[in-house]
Amino acid sequence: EVQLVESGGGLVKPGGSLRLSCAASGFMFSSYSMNWVRQAPGKGLEWVSFISGSGNYIYYADSLKGRFTISRDNAKNSLYLQMNSLRAEDTAVYYCAKEGFGELSPSLDYWGQGTLVTVSS
Amino acid sequence: SSELTQPPSVSVSPGQTARITCSGDTLPKQFAYWYQQRPGQAPVLVIYKDTERPSGIPERFSGSSSGTTVTLTISGVQAEDGADYYCQSTDTSGKYRVFGGGTKLTVL
Repeated sequence: EVQLVESGGGLVKPGGSLRLSCAASGFMFSSYSMNWVRQAPGKGLEWVSFISGSGNYIYYADSLKGRFTISRDNAKNSLYLQMNSLRAEDTAVYYCAKEGFGELSPSLDYWGQGTLVTVSS
Repeated sequence: SSELTQPPSVSVSPGQTARITCSGDTLPKQFAYWYQQRPGQAPVLVIYKDTERPSGIPERFSGSSSGTTVTLTISGVQAEDGADYYCQSTDTSGKYRVFGGGTKLTVL
């Protein structure tokens, strides 16, 4: 059974940093691309970042302007999101999502339950 | 970057057919994907590649595509189908994922 468990969310002051983690199990982690998607309170889904299975290809939403860094450790079956220079508008639930393979790509076929990041003074 | 436009809300009575549209200039070139999100839960993929249904998704969910618009159709709507629905696609390069703004389906 595929499982994705996010952690690392919490309350942080504007300008601060936070590192999110996503522990994956139930599938061959290194073979699949992964994404971070966020959802501000009461708002829609917003794609944040993509990383290929090998980590060689990385893409970010334009709105992030270099403040976030996605990475993965295939030996630990883990995905990460380093978030710097946080702003109030970064307040959201952050989801880790597995990308489908083959004809299922680039759909997101499994999602974690999310971790809440609150940016406030 | 590309944009996907959805109606904010759709209402339908139980047993009727709900249609949720998603429009975008890249949709003739890139496939669309649909997600259902119930309150307090993570999204669930219900349609991929415009028209395909993942295993475990009821047959009443179907997708179609015409030009710059894709449509999610839910036939014989049930109360449990009340949720937010999001379309997703990519830009023309295939690199950047993008979501529509979401549509709240209300079952009257």
